[in-house]
Amino acid sequence: GDSVTQMEGPVTLSEEAFLTINCTYTATGYPSLFWYVQYPGEGLQLLLKATKADDKGSNKGFEATYRKETTSFHLEKGSVQVSDSAVYFCALTSQGAGNKLTFGGGTRVLVKP
Amino acid sequence: DAGVTQSPTHLIKTRGQHVTLRCSPISGHKSVSWYQQVLGQGPQFIFQYYEKEERGRGNFPDRFSARQFPNYSSELNVNALLLGDSALYLCASSLVGRANEQFFGPGTRLTVL
Repeated sequence: GDSVTQMEGPVTLSEEAFLTINCTYTATGYPSLFWYVQYPGEGLQLLLKATKADDKGSNKGFEATYRKETTSFHLEKGSVQVSDSAVYFCALTSQGAGNKLTFGGGTRVLVKP
Repeated sequence: DAGVTQSPTHLIKTRGQHVTLRCSPISGHKSVSWYQQVLGQGPQFIFQYYEKEERGRGNFPDRFSARQFPNYSSELNVNALLLGDSALYLCASSLVGRANEQFFGPGTRLTVL
């Protein structure tokens, strides 16, 4: 079945540091890939997505590229802010699975001033 | 426009009881999905509904059931509650056929004592 593996946290960074969160996946066919963010006490917000190989999703300074050859969708941001402190989830939907999102376990990021 | 709304925000129940959680999708969205997020883990897919019919089901026991109403709102019911049912229950809505654009509500925090 489908699965998503992402690096465990917590990841602790200083403000303006570079952030990378690794995500790899297993899925049949050609999945769509997502990064969601969850701020403390809140639900999930879609951060970015990519629907086909080599697509780059980007939003709020975050980027991720759909790499089919390595089955990866790593999240990056060049200069983090304290407000980026949150839990980040990598997820996918696969063909024929309807709306079902398969999530990774989440990576907590803490940015210190 | 209002986003996805869920009620109640928090709920405390004891083992063996029954619970009903409610979700109102974004106006115009006819598809609703439910997820369970245990503390420290990624969300797990429970159900998808549209046009008042179940369209997908995750690996959850029959104690979990749901339904969708003519106004596209939805209820999630859990019978014979177990301690392990303690979690954040998330609802997501989307346009039919738009699995890549799902919007999440803030969730209902269920605690089973």
